[in-house]
Amino acid sequence: ILNVEQSPQSLHVQEGDSTNFTCSFPSSNFYALHWYRWETAKSPEALFVMTLNGDEKKKGRISATLNTKEGYSYLYIKGSQPEDSATYLCASSDFNKFYFGSGTKLNVKP
Amino acid sequence: DSGVTQTPKHLITATGQRVTLRCSPRSGDLSVYWYQQSLDQGLQFLIQYYNGEERAKGNILERFSAQQFPDLHSELNLSSLELGDSALYFCASSVGDSSYNSPLHFGNGTRLTVT
Repeated sequence: ILNVEQSPQSLHVQEGDSTNFTCSFPSSNFYALHWYRWETAKSPEALFVMTLNGDEKKKGRISATLNTKEGYSYLYIKGSQPEDSATYLCASSDFNKFYFGSGTKLNVKP
Repeated sequence: DSGVTQTPKHLITATGQRVTLRCSPRSGDLSVYWYQQSLDQGLQFLIQYYNGEERAKGNILERFSAQQFPDLHSELNLSSLELGDSALYFCASSVGDSSYNSPLHFGNGTRLTVT
């Protein structure tokens, strides 16, 4: 079992603020790192799949980086909007077993 | 809409009973994963099937079993239910059998309440 940790647990920001959160995972036996966005009353939705050290991915105002040597990934949201309010989950895998963190709950106030 | 269908949405049953949760994966996906989310806990991996075969096992109790059928739908069977089995059970599917470049597509979950 991989121990995946996310911080902070929750975050409250104002509309327009930029924010970032962290996913830490064991660097040994690393295979892939996934980010998911989970809105209330919906199911998790894939944001990024990252596999190589130094990977950077971007989707609109959201981007992510990956450091497999030290075992962390950052998720950045530029100019947060109320519709970005959700729980952001990361999952590390050692091939086909995905181990999820507890998530960072983001609340963006208008 | 992820394309993954889970039924039923809600299930209320008594301790000691047995239930079956059903999942139809997204069209074209061969892998099905089952996850459990208990109160105040993250998603816990239970089991994965790929094209009808069990591929990986997580913290799945012996009272729980699953299978994937030739049409690729999957069922999770929970027996001798206990109060602590109350949780949200998610099914997710993916194209390949590994996490490399193959994200998970989640269903809306089945909320199980054991009374």
